[in-house]
Amino acid sequence: NAGVMQNPRHLVRRRGQEARLRCSPMKGHSHVYWYRQLPEEGLKFMVYLQKENIIDESGMPKERFSAEFPKEGPSILRIQQVVRGDSAAYFCASSPVPGLAGIEQFFGPGTRLTVL
Amino acid sequence: SQQGEEDPQALSIQEGENATMNCSYKTSINNLQWYRQNSGRGLVHLILIRSNEREKHSGRLRVTLDTSKKSSSLLITASRAADTASYFCATENQAGTALIFGKGTTLSVSS
Repeated sequence: NAGVMQNPRHLVRRRGQEARLRCSPMKGHSHVYWYRQLPEEGLKFMVYLQKENIIDESGMPKERFSAEFPKEGPSILRIQQVVRGDSAAYFCASSPVPGLAGIEQFFGPGTRLTVL
Repeated sequence: SQQGEEDPQALSIQEGENATMNCSYKTSINNLQWYRQNSGRGLVHLILIRSNEREKHSGRLRVTLDTSKKSSSLLITASRAADTASYFCATENQAGTALIFGKGTTLSVSS
């Protein structure tokens, strides 16, 4: 049973370009969470999605960032017009049940975004 | 805002020694989790302790929870070089929709 898959593992973009980060949850998991980790920091929650629904996007910046989890295919975190401050590691996690309810989250290896 | 704060920020020990990391949090919780992150990798779940539990063991790991002090500790006994990693505590947000992580403790175990 493959774990959470993220691609690309490393992404380099110039300021003003778009970044698309993909996450395939574990088989049987329909709940996806995106987190961002700045250097020397812990992970910060961005958004929680179920298939075709955004459940909680309270951690998502209001502009330039969007996320989706379509009925078919991976979850996508999209960052438009990237700036240097977007450089970070972006992690996706999945769970088999709604919300957390004391259930562990399974994390992917992350995508390291570098904005030049 | 940060919910969990780990202490110390960094810890260096020799193989075979025990490592203790502490976590403090601010609001009431249903449970608290500890995760490990190896350099450049994703997080791996270590252990979950519920609010009605005081202590939990898993292999060389021992976690305690003191809800009156809003604190938890992670003890790794007989440490190995492979334990070198960052360790994070995490609690759930009020809505139960996300984990809130502290900044972590970076553990370095030298042989």
